[in-house]
Amino acid sequence: EDQVTQSPEALRLQEGESSSLNCSYTVSGLRGLFWYRQDPGKGPEFLFTLYSAGEEKEKERLKATLTKKESFLHITAPKPEDSATYLCAVWGGTYKYIFGTGTRLKVLA
Amino acid sequence: NAGVTQTPKFQVLKTGQSMTLQCAQDMNHNSMYWYRQDPGMGLRLIYYSASEGTTDKGEVPNGYNVSRLNKREFSLRLESAAPSQTSVYFCASSEMGGMGETQYFGPGTRLLVL
Repeated sequence: EDQVTQSPEALRLQEGESSSLNCSYTVSGLRGLFWYRQDPGKGPEFLFTLYSAGEEKEKERLKATLTKKESFLHITAPKPEDSATYLCAVWGGTYKYIFGTGTRLKVLA
Repeated sequence: NAGVTQTPKFQVLKTGQSMTLQCAQDMNHNSMYWYRQDPGMGLRLIYYSASEGTTDKGEVPNGYNVSRLNKREFSLRLESAAPSQTSVYFCASSEMGGMGETQYFGPGTRLLVL
């Protein structure tokens, strides 16, 4: 069965303390992996799309990487405004997008 | 551009009542989607519309109906609400659909069924 698992469920970091969030997946024939940021009471906001193993994308303090089994969202020197829930989703073909349950990140000043 | 808009933002219903959640997008996207988000679960697809005039069931369609009114608008109807439908509902759109492109989400409708 197609599945997406994100870890950890929650993460508390001090401002400036770099870390990584993990998204592991089992899907037959991955054709796209997406990272979203979701603030409380808001809809998911698109961050990155990765299509093939080895691909990397960067945006400010965030960097997403992809292997054949998992993706990492690296956060370098985070700031309190990076606090949010980060969602991972994989595209399994046609209209099927499988979402993970997210990692709740809290960055303390 | 407003992107994807949803109304209402919040609604309280009694069991058995009906309501329609509205969604509109101004990005000229062909495909639109309705998801629900529950604590401890990932976003789950309720229905989608690949293009104007077509709709299809997703993972959790029971108890819902949809209408793709035109290219911009996609509504979700609860005919007889149940407490199990208490959730946050998100509408999303994408340019082509079925091609693995990015989905853009609205701000959500929080629904409480008593």
